[in-house]
Amino acid sequence: GENVEQHPSTLSVQEGDSAVIKCTYSDSASNYFPWYKQELGKGPQLIIDIRSNVGEKKDQRIAVTLNKTAKHFSLHITETQPEDSAVYFCASTGGGAGSYQLTFGKGTKLSVIP
Amino acid sequence: GAVVSQHPSRVICKSGTSVKIECRSLDFQATTMFWYRQFPKQSLMLMATSNEGSKATYEQGVEKDKFLINHASLTLSTLTVTSAHPEDSSFYICSATGGAGGYTFGSGTRLTVV
Repeated sequence: GENVEQHPSTLSVQEGDSAVIKCTYSDSASNYFPWYKQELGKGPQLIIDIRSNVGEKKDQRIAVTLNKTAKHFSLHITETQPEDSAVYFCASTGGGAGSYQLTFGKGTKLSVIP
Repeated sequence: GAVVSQHPSRVICKSGTSVKIECRSLDFQATTMFWYRQFPKQSLMLMATSNEGSKATYEQGVEKDKFLINHASLTLSTLTVTSAHPEDSSFYICSATGGAGGYTFGSGTRLTVV
């Protein structure tokens, strides 16, 4: 089955700096890679996703890059703000969004220091 | 966008009783729903996958007679924790697919068994 590794487990950055979280996956058939933000006591919220036919996707301060050859994808948050502090999870699935179960990384706790 | 409503957000029950958690897709038909369990500071652990009108598929190690899942309509799935014990205390989260947004998560239910 799919295995997703996520690093780092914790990340502290100064407000305004950039944050990068990296994930690797094992199943070369995986083709959908979402990123979720989870605040304490709440469910995960999709912040950005990317499909295997795209190498990069950007939405304002958030971007995701995908390297299918190396089987890794990364989340980039620029100009971080205190409200970005949360736990971030990467995930992957092999059947396109909606067809198969997601496999999650173990999460990264991001702290943005004012 | 796709919205999934999960209720209750918090529930406290006595040991030996049963608790039902509801997950509703509000603006799309959820062909597949997933139920997760999350322990503090850990990632989401998939418990089961359910498709409308058919029996749920449980992950290895998850007791199907203890965690009853019903997905009787395209907008509603329920998870019933039967004969709950303190070790069942956890954060339970549902997710639904079928909308344009891929996988949409509910806000979670904090179950405490006393």
